[in-house]
Amino acid sequence: GAGVSQSPRYKVTKRGQDVALRCDPISGHVSLYWYRQALGQGPEFLTYFNYEAQQDKSGLPNDRFSAERPEGSISTLTIQRTEQRDSAMYRCASSLRAGDNTIYFGEGSWLTVV
Amino acid sequence: AQSVTQLDSQVPVFEEAPVELRCNYSSSVSVYLFWYVQYPNQGLQLLLKYLSGSTLVKGINGFEAEFNKSQTSFHLRKPSVHISDTAEYFCAVSDLIQGAQKLVFGQGTRLTINP
Repeated sequence: GAGVSQSPRYKVTKRGQDVALRCDPISGHVSLYWYRQALGQGPEFLTYFNYEAQQDKSGLPNDRFSAERPEGSISTLTIQRTEQRDSAMYRCASSLRAGDNTIYFGEGSWLTVV
Repeated sequence: AQSVTQLDSQVPVFEEAPVELRCNYSSSVSVYLFWYVQYPNQGLQLLLKYLSGSTLVKGINGFEAEFNKSQTSFHLRKPSVHISDTAEYFCAVSDLIQGAQKLVFGQGTRLTINP
């Protein structure tokens, strides 16, 4: 696609429910990144993939958070048993090659846990 | 580990006035530095980056930034702002090994341009 596409753009969920956020990177981009941005804060790194391999998941806050990219293209970030503190903007980005210094962000998915 | 401090959370300026958005970083290793902009209802967009070489970096939309290693700063400047520059600006840093794969962002500066 022309840009990084994320869905849903807005999600309101009840505490305790599971949520899946989807990211469709720019076509042909090898690397895919997930960041989280709380209100009034800058984005924080969660995890990244090269192709289908998860290279670094050190930013995932706890084991309720997981991400996958099974075919090296679309990625899903899943949050299980959501809590109110999970409310944030979740940003996906991609880059053409591993190690590129320019990454392209999507518009983000706003998650509100009530 | 790296950290970034954006000293101003909000900066109001008048149209056609100059602006400087301040960014200081902390790192024990050499770094790459970035400025991103988020316009309303849009994703983050790269404004400019410093990787090596000249310490004065020019970016899109007339913005520039200067890397100052001794002061560990990477301030963003524009000589004359326009209403369309109203946005949130984020400074980010990464180490030379991780590249842009693991960016550490500041808290952001909201730039408001008044007519």
